[in-house]
Amino acid sequence: DTGVSQDPRHKITKRGQNVTFRCDPISEHNRLYWYRQTLGQGPEFLTYFQNEAQLEKSRLLSDRFSAERPKGSFSTLEIQRTEQGDSAMYLCASSLGGPGGNQPQHFGDGTRLSIL
Amino acid sequence: EDQVTQSPEALRLQEGESSSLNCSYTVSGLRGLFWYRQDPGKGPEFLFTLYSAGEEKEKERLKATLTKKESFLHITAPKPEDSATYLCAGNSGNTPLVFGKGTRLSVIA
Repeated sequence: DTGVSQDPRHKITKRGQNVTFRCDPISEHNRLYWYRQTLGQGPEFLTYFQNEAQLEKSRLLSDRFSAERPKGSFSTLEIQRTEQGDSAMYLCASSLGGPGGNQPQHFGDGTRLSIL
Repeated sequence: EDQVTQSPEALRLQEGESSSLNCSYTVSGLRGLFWYRQDPGKGPEFLFTLYSAGEEKEKERLKATLTKKESFLHITAPKPEDSATYLCAGNSGNTPLVFGKGTRLSVIA
Protein backbone atom coordinates (compact mmCIF):
# COMPACT_ATOMS: atom_id res chain seq x y z
CA ASP A 1 0.00 0.00 0.00
CA THR A 2 1.87 3.03 -1.29
CA GLY A 3 -0.86 5.51 -0.42
CA VAL A 4 -2.42 8.26 -2.52
CA SER A 5 0.16 10.26 -4.47
CA GLN A 6 -0.34 13.80 -5.79
CA ASP A 7 1.83 15.82 -8.13
CA PRO A 8 3.02 18.52 -8.00
CA ARG A 9 3.07 19.33 -4.27
CA HIS A 10 3.22 23.05 -4.94
CA LYS A 11 2.24 25.14 -7.94
CA ILE A 12 2.70 28.88 -8.32
CA THR A 13 1.22 30.49 -11.39
CA LYS A 14 0.03 33.82 -12.71
CA ARG A 15 -3.62 34.71 -12.88
CA GLY A 16 -5.15 33.60 -16.16
CA GLN A 17 -2.86 30.63 -16.70
CA ASN A 18 -4.05 27.02 -16.91
CA VAL A 19 -2.85 24.41 -14.41
CA THR A 20 -3.19 20.63 -14.21
CA PHE A 21 -2.78 18.40 -11.18
CA ARG A 22 -2.37 14.64 -11.08
CA CYS A 23 -3.56 12.08 -8.52
CA ASP A 24 -2.55 8.42 -8.31
CA PRO A 25 -4.93 6.56 -5.96
CA ILE A 26 -4.31 3.42 -3.93
CA SER A 27 -4.15 0.76 -6.63
CA GLU A 28 -7.15 -1.38 -5.67
CA HIS A 29 -9.46 1.59 -4.96
CA ASN A 30 -12.20 2.14 -7.54
CA ARG A 31 -13.43 5.48 -6.17
CA LEU A 32 -11.49 8.71 -6.48
CA TYR A 33 -12.46 12.09 -5.01
CA TRP A 34 -11.23 15.66 -5.40
CA TYR A 35 -11.59 18.19 -2.57
CA ARG A 36 -10.46 21.78 -2.07
CA GLN A 37 -9.29 23.15 1.28
CA THR A 38 -8.59 26.74 2.25
CA LEU A 39 -6.92 27.96 5.43
CA GLY A 40 -8.96 27.29 8.56
CA GLN A 41 -11.62 25.30 6.71
CA GLY A 42 -12.33 21.63 6.27
CA PRO A 43 -12.01 20.05 2.82
CA GLU A 44 -14.89 20.82 0.42
CA PHE A 45 -16.02 18.27 -2.14
CA LEU A 46 -15.45 19.04 -5.81
CA THR A 47 -16.09 15.85 -7.79
CA TYR A 48 -15.75 12.07 -7.70
CA PHE A 49 -15.30 9.07 -9.97
CA GLN A 50 -16.17 5.44 -9.75
CA ASN A 51 -13.71 3.74 -12.06
CA GLU A 52 -13.65 6.02 -15.14
CA ALA A 53 -17.16 7.44 -14.70
CA GLN A 54 -17.55 10.90 -13.15
CA LEU A 55 -20.58 10.41 -10.91
CA GLU A 56 -21.05 13.74 -9.15
CA LYS A 57 -19.88 17.34 -9.37
CA SER A 58 -20.25 20.01 -6.72
CA ARG A 59 -21.71 23.41 -7.57
CA LEU A 60 -18.27 24.68 -6.49
CA LEU A 61 -16.90 23.17 -9.69
CA SER A 62 -17.27 26.00 -12.19
CA ASP A 63 -16.93 25.42 -15.92
CA ARG A 64 -13.26 26.43 -15.64
CA PHE A 65 -12.63 23.17 -13.79
CA SER A 66 -12.47 19.80 -15.49
CA ALA A 67 -11.48 16.40 -14.15
CA GLU A 68 -10.78 13.14 -15.88
CA ARG A 69 -9.97 9.59 -14.95
CA PRO A 70 -9.46 8.06 -18.40
CA LYS A 71 -8.58 4.47 -17.54
CA GLY A 72 -10.04 4.26 -14.08
CA SER A 73 -6.61 4.62 -12.52
CA PHE A 74 -4.95 8.04 -12.12
CA SER A 75 -6.94 11.27 -12.38
CA THR A 76 -6.20 14.81 -13.50
CA LEU A 77 -7.82 18.06 -12.40
CA GLU A 78 -7.41 21.04 -14.72
CA ILE A 79 -8.20 24.64 -13.91
CA GLN A 80 -8.41 27.01 -16.86
CA ARG A 81 -7.96 30.79 -16.67
CA THR A 82 -6.99 30.69 -13.00
CA GLU A 83 -8.31 33.37 -10.63
CA GLN A 84 -7.08 34.61 -7.25
CA GLY A 85 -9.90 32.73 -5.55
CA ASP A 86 -8.55 29.43 -6.86
CA SER A 87 -5.64 29.61 -4.42
CA ALA A 88 -6.11 26.62 -2.12
CA MET A 89 -4.92 23.12 -1.31
CA TYR A 90 -6.36 20.57 -3.75
CA LEU A 91 -6.72 17.18 -2.13
CA CYS A 92 -7.31 13.81 -3.74
CA ALA A 93 -8.74 10.81 -1.89
CA SER A 94 -9.55 7.25 -2.85
CA SER A 95 -11.65 4.46 -1.39
CA LEU A 96 -13.21 1.11 -2.13
CA GLY A 97 -16.82 1.59 -3.15
CA GLY A 98 -19.76 -0.61 -3.91
CA PRO A 99 -23.18 -1.71 -2.70
CA GLY A 100 -23.50 -1.90 1.07
CA GLY A 101 -20.06 -0.53 1.71
CA ASN A 102 -18.95 2.79 3.19
CA GLN A 103 -15.21 2.51 3.32
CA PRO A 104 -13.00 5.31 4.59
CA GLN A 105 -11.44 7.69 2.11
CA HIS A 106 -7.66 7.93 2.19
CA PHE A 107 -6.11 11.24 1.27
CA GLY A 108 -2.94 12.33 -0.45
CA ASP A 109 -0.89 15.27 0.81
CA GLY A 110 -2.41 17.63 -1.71
CA THR A 111 -1.25 20.18 -4.27
CA ARG A 112 -0.97 23.70 -2.91
CA LEU A 113 -1.90 26.23 -5.62
CA SER A 114 -0.86 29.86 -5.30
CA ILE A 115 -2.11 32.41 -7.84
CA LEU A 116 0.04 35.54 -8.23
CA GLU B 1 -28.41 20.64 3.60
CA ASP B 2 -26.00 18.27 5.33
CA GLN B 3 -23.85 20.00 7.92
CA VAL B 4 -21.07 19.10 10.35
CA THR B 5 -20.08 21.48 13.17
CA GLN B 6 -17.03 21.03 15.36
CA SER B 7 -16.20 22.62 18.70
CA PRO B 8 -14.12 24.11 20.07
CA GLU B 9 -12.28 25.72 17.14
CA ALA B 10 -9.03 25.56 19.10
CA LEU B 11 -7.98 23.78 22.26
CA ARG B 12 -4.79 24.14 24.27
CA LEU B 13 -3.95 21.41 26.76
CA GLN B 14 -1.11 20.69 29.10
CA GLU B 15 0.56 17.33 28.55
CA GLY B 16 -1.47 14.72 30.42
CA GLU B 17 -4.62 16.88 30.60
CA SER B 18 -7.48 14.80 29.14
CA SER B 19 -10.29 16.44 27.16
CA SER B 20 -12.92 15.87 24.46
CA LEU B 21 -13.62 17.32 21.03
CA ASN B 22 -17.20 17.60 19.83
CA CYS B 23 -18.70 16.99 16.38
CA SER B 24 -22.41 17.60 15.86
CA TYR B 25 -23.99 16.64 12.57
CA THR B 26 -27.14 16.98 10.54
CA VAL B 27 -26.58 14.47 7.75
CA SER B 28 -29.74 12.84 6.47
CA GLY B 29 -29.45 9.10 6.46
CA LEU B 30 -26.00 9.13 8.08
CA ARG B 31 -24.13 5.97 7.12
CA GLY B 32 -20.71 6.84 8.48
CA LEU B 33 -19.02 9.34 10.80
CA PHE B 34 -15.30 9.70 10.18
CA TRP B 35 -12.48 11.23 12.21
CA TYR B 36 -9.25 12.39 10.61
CA ARG B 37 -6.06 13.97 11.90
CA GLN B 38 -4.35 16.64 9.78
CA ASP B 39 -0.83 17.95 10.32
CA PRO B 40 0.25 21.27 8.76
CA GLY B 41 0.96 20.94 5.04
CA LYS B 42 -0.32 17.36 4.93
CA GLY B 43 -3.50 15.64 3.86
CA PRO B 44 -5.99 14.28 6.38
CA GLU B 45 -4.98 10.97 7.94
CA PHE B 46 -7.79 8.52 8.63
CA LEU B 47 -8.39 7.64 12.29
CA PHE B 48 -11.84 6.09 12.82
CA THR B 49 -15.16 5.25 11.21
CA LEU B 50 -18.30 4.98 13.35
CA TYR B 51 -21.41 3.51 11.76
CA SER B 52 -24.14 3.46 14.43
CA ALA B 53 -25.14 5.19 17.65
CA GLY B 54 -23.48 3.65 20.68
CA GLU B 55 -20.42 2.54 18.77
CA GLU B 56 -16.97 3.28 20.21
CA LYS B 57 -13.49 2.87 18.74
CA GLU B 58 -10.08 3.32 20.33
CA LYS B 59 -6.56 3.88 19.12
CA GLU B 60 -3.76 4.60 21.58
CA ARG B 61 -4.81 7.75 23.52
CA LEU B 62 -7.85 8.42 21.30
CA LYS B 63 -11.40 7.14 21.69
CA ALA B 64 -14.26 8.06 19.38
CA THR B 65 -17.93 7.69 20.33
CA LEU B 66 -21.17 8.28 18.43
CA THR B 67 -24.71 9.23 19.45
CA LYS B 68 -27.67 10.01 17.22
CA LYS B 69 -26.74 13.69 17.05
CA GLU B 70 -23.04 14.00 17.76
CA SER B 71 -19.67 12.35 18.07
CA PHE B 72 -16.90 12.88 20.56
CA LEU B 73 -13.17 12.35 20.25
CA HIS B 74 -11.78 11.78 23.72
CA ILE B 75 -8.06 12.33 24.22
CA THR B 76 -6.60 10.71 27.32
CA ALA B 77 -3.31 11.95 28.76
CA PRO B 78 -2.28 13.70 25.54
CA LYS B 79 1.33 14.18 24.48
CA PRO B 80 2.83 17.01 22.41
CA GLU B 81 2.87 14.73 19.36
CA ASP B 82 -0.93 14.66 19.48
CA SER B 83 -0.93 18.33 18.44
CA ALA B 84 -2.77 18.58 15.10
CA THR B 85 -6.10 19.59 13.58
CA TYR B 86 -8.78 16.96 14.09
CA LEU B 87 -11.45 16.82 11.40
CA CYS B 88 -14.85 15.19 11.61
CA ALA B 89 -16.85 14.23 8.50
CA GLY B 90 -20.07 12.43 7.68
CA ASN B 91 -21.75 10.90 4.66
CA SER B 92 -24.87 9.02 3.73
CA GLY B 93 -23.27 6.06 2.01
CA ASN B 94 -20.63 5.82 -0.69
CA THR B 95 -20.93 9.56 -1.20
CA PRO B 96 -18.61 12.52 -0.74
CA LEU B 97 -17.73 13.47 2.80
CA VAL B 98 -19.11 16.61 4.44
CA PHE B 99 -16.40 17.98 6.71
CA GLY B 100 -16.45 20.26 9.72
CA LYS B 101 -13.91 23.07 10.04
CA GLY B 102 -11.82 21.10 12.50
CA THR B 103 -10.46 21.58 16.01
CA ARG B 104 -6.85 22.77 16.31
CA LEU B 105 -5.32 20.95 19.26
CA SER B 106 -2.11 22.12 20.90
CA VAL B 107 -0.56 20.00 23.64
CA ILE B 108 2.08 21.81 25.68
CA ALA B 109 4.86 19.91 27.46
